Amino acid sequence: DVLMTQTPVSLSVSLGGQVSISCRSSQSLVHSDGNTYLHWYLQKPGQSPQLLIYRVSNRFSGVPDRFSGSGSGTDFTLKISRVEPEDLGVYYCLQSTHFPYTFGAGTKLELK
Amino acid sequence: QVQLKESGPGLVQPSQTLSLTCTVSGFSLTSNSVHWVRQHSGKSLEWMGRMWSDGDTSYSSAFTPRLSISRDTSKSQVFLKMNSLQTEDTGTYYCARNGLGPFDYWGQGVMVTVSS
Repeated sequence: DVLMTQTPVSLSVSLGGQVSISCRSSQSLVHSDGNTYLHWYLQKPGQSPQLLIYRVSNRFSGVPDRFSGSGSGTDFTLKISRVEPEDLGVYYCLQSTHFPYTFGAGTKLELK
Repeated sequence: QVQLKESGPGLVQPSQTLSLTCTVSGFSLTSNSVHWVRQHSGKSLEWMGRMWSDGDTSYSSAFTPRLSISRDTSKSQVFLKMNSLQTEDTGTYYCARNGLGPFDYWGQGVMVTVSS
């Protein structure tokens, strides 16, 4: 199975600040169709996860442009700028290039 | 709008079978796949399997052969059955739609406790 390593495990940020979360995969996430199936989710406390970014850098409907995704191959980053209170929670990366789909362990974003 | 809702028993005895239903609305099961995902309390997420729009299924090897996913398109429902439950199967089970991303819409989740 593809191992997804997320760092850091937790982050403290001030409102209005900027953070980056890293996600590294144990093998390339480039699919044979040429696409890279790496996605980002946010799980707010007591809620189901919600899709933020799909296929590395595409924001899902309604996701503010404060969220941006980048990367290629095995190394990916989620950046959040101008952090707002509703951004707090646990962020997960997911790869769906290889079966079984696998998630990172999560990065908890907290207020400083 | 797109909605998914899981239902099923909150408590299952060890060695018994878990049966969950995911009822969807706002899309067709013949157009979008539906996945099942598990989350142990306070832990990360675990993909279990997928009902493809053509009726085919895919499963994580972590759950085969005790996991089965089926559907009733006339009722817009996807079913999960997993046998030989153990205490480590305790967790929250989600169904989620495959759209732009593999899980673009999620159900609220159903908490399942395996205990005698």
